[in-house]
Amino acid sequence: EAQVTQNPRYLITVTGKKLTVTCSQNMNHEYMSWYRQDPGLGLRQIYYSMNVEVTDKGDVPEGYKVSRKEKRNFPLILESPSPNQTSLYFCASSLSEGRGKKLFFGSGTQLSVL
Amino acid sequence: KQEVTQIPAALSVPEGENLVLNCSFTDSAIYNLQWFRQDPGKGLTSLLLIQSSQREQTSGRLNASLDKSSGRSTLYIAASQPGDSATYLCAVRGRSYGQNFVFGPGTRLSVLP
Repeated sequence: EAQVTQNPRYLITVTGKKLTVTCSQNMNHEYMSWYRQDPGLGLRQIYYSMNVEVTDKGDVPEGYKVSRKEKRNFPLILESPSPNQTSLYFCASSLSEGRGKKLFFGSGTQLSVL
Repeated sequence: KQEVTQIPAALSVPEGENLVLNCSFTDSAIYNLQWFRQDPGKGLTSLLLIQSSQREQTSGRLNASLDKSSGRSTLYIAASQPGDSATYLCAVRGRSYGQNFVFGPGTRLSVLP
């Protein structure tokens, strides 16, 4: 089954403790992206990647890191999480050929930083 | 920079009504526009994708239109049902920004029984 898989689904951590949220897709998609969603602020893009070893900042990249060493994986790294990074996070992927190519989403990761 | 807006922000209708959700974008240089549905605390589910060369797409009770020159899209929902209650988001994939996707803030729909 074609899908975008995020792990974990829920995560509670403390300030300053490094964490990684994994994202994997099995559709051979070139494009991958991370978003955070907060009440009243909508969906905001953190980072995106057009292909292996190619990443770009989105609208809210501060405090986050990403890497794209393999086509299928695009982990999100919080080196020193803070409470303002408490949010619902989504990973998404798509083919890079622009026309007619849908964006597929993972189920989300609810992160709480205490 | 591409900006996407959605009107209204929230909408409440009685069951059975037909309704229209609106999406506007500032840069018409797009590859496609996609409508999503999101239930509270859940992921986004793709409803319809309209390519830049198309005028509309239909799926069941849903019909999405695209007027690229005016920077507008509408999502028409026929004979609404309580199960349609969710937040609806539109997203455009631009030619000008590395083929990146830009999302609107969404319209929260409540269909009352």
